[in-house]
Amino acid sequence: GAGVSQSPSNKVTEKGKDVELRCDPISGHTALYWYRQRLGQGLEFLIYFQGNSAPDKSGLPSDRFSAERTGESVSTLTIQRTQQEDSAVYLCASSRPGGIETQYFGPGTRLLVL
Amino acid sequence: EDKVVQSPLSLVVHEGDTVTLNCSYEVTNFRSLLWYKQEKKAPTFLFMLTSSGIEKKSGRLSSILDKKELFSILNITATQTGDSAVYLCAVNSNSGYALNFGKGTSLLVTP
Repeated sequence: GAGVSQSPSNKVTEKGKDVELRCDPISGHTALYWYRQRLGQGLEFLIYFQGNSAPDKSGLPSDRFSAERTGESVSTLTIQRTQQEDSAVYLCASSRPGGIETQYFGPGTRLLVL
Repeated sequence: EDKVVQSPLSLVVHEGDTVTLNCSYEVTNFRSLLWYKQEKKAPTFLFMLTSSGIEKKSGRLSSILDKKELFSILNITATQTGDSAVYLCAVNSNSGYALNFGKGTSLLVTP
């Protein structure tokens, strides 16, 4: 079936503007994750959704970052008042529910804040 | 604090060589270790290891986990230029569902 999809592929914005990134998980995957990857760095966890449970927001770097998910479908990650240090690739992953399940990644959104 | 360290950070080999990539970790309540290959943006899944000493194999790639010594290796035999990528190691613990990633090993296979 279809993999995880993300949009847009690339986004260039000006410092101070808000951006919204979208993730469509694999059908049937109730768990959804957002990660950030800065240039030359490993992936940093941002937020995790599991079904209708309260999300784990422990990785969000500041209150300018927020994410929503409606049910078990699409998620949006919003960055308000973007800063240059927000420039990174934002990766979404999804997995089946359970303790040990492989996370499958989308192609990511490359965000550049000028 | 959980930590995942990969070595080497980068590697250049010739086609046909065998490479071994290393991943060591310090994680409370270890659950699983995963290897991913990242060529452009999306990391693609290679292996998930949960049990010590059991080798996972897929074609020319194999991986093994040592839970006593807290490390894993990823072996690639008869390397090809298409193996050029960043290889990411990630560990999952019982304290959450997020993956804790290392910085990756950048592999370049030259013709």
